[in-house]
Amino acid sequence: EDQVTQSPEALRLQEGESSSLNCSYTVSGLRGLFWYRQDPGKGPEFLFTLYSAGEEKEKERLKATLTKKESFLHITAPKPEDSATYLCAVQAGRDDKIIFGKGTRLHILP
Amino acid sequence: DSGVTQTPKHLITATGQRVTLRCSPRSGDLSVYWYQQSLDQGLQFLIQYYNGEERAKGNILERFSAQQFPDLHSELNLSSLELGDSALYFCASSLTTAGETQYFGPGTRLLVL
Repeated sequence: EDQVTQSPEALRLQEGESSSLNCSYTVSGLRGLFWYRQDPGKGPEFLFTLYSAGEEKEKERLKATLTKKESFLHITAPKPEDSATYLCAVQAGRDDKIIFGKGTRLHILP
Repeated sequence: DSGVTQTPKHLITATGQRVTLRCSPRSGDLSVYWYQQSLDQGLQFLIQYYNGEERAKGNILERFSAQQFPDLHSELNLSSLELGDSALYFCASSLTTAGETQYFGPGTRLLVL
């Protein structure tokens, strides 16, 4: 069965304490892997799209990487404003189905 | 601001009723996606339309239906509403189809009493 699993479910860090969020997936025919940030009560905000193993993308304090089985979102020296839920999604298969993980709730303490 | 608009922002209705949610995609985007987000289920993909045609289907109930009009706006119709249909409903749009970045609207919060 196609699945997307994110870990940890929740993460509390001190400001400046770097860490990584994991997104593991089991799908056939990956068309794209997406990272989003979601603030409470708002729509997900696009961060990155990755298409093939070995690909990396960076934006400010965030860096996303992709292997054949998982993706990591690395957060370097986070600030309190980075607190949010981070969602990972894949689009895969002949029917282009889209599967979201349940997210990682990140809280950065000042 | 993603450029995707959704109306209404909030909707309160009763069980058994029917409602229509509306979405206008970003200018130039041909694909529209509908999602349901509840506390226990996370974000669930419902359906995708591309240039007026149904393109992909997810976990959409038979009581729900959608369409995309010639001007590319889309409507999601929810009928015979149940308490469990209470959720945030998001619309997203992308330029074309598979593998494209999706931009999400602010959502419609539906409460079924």
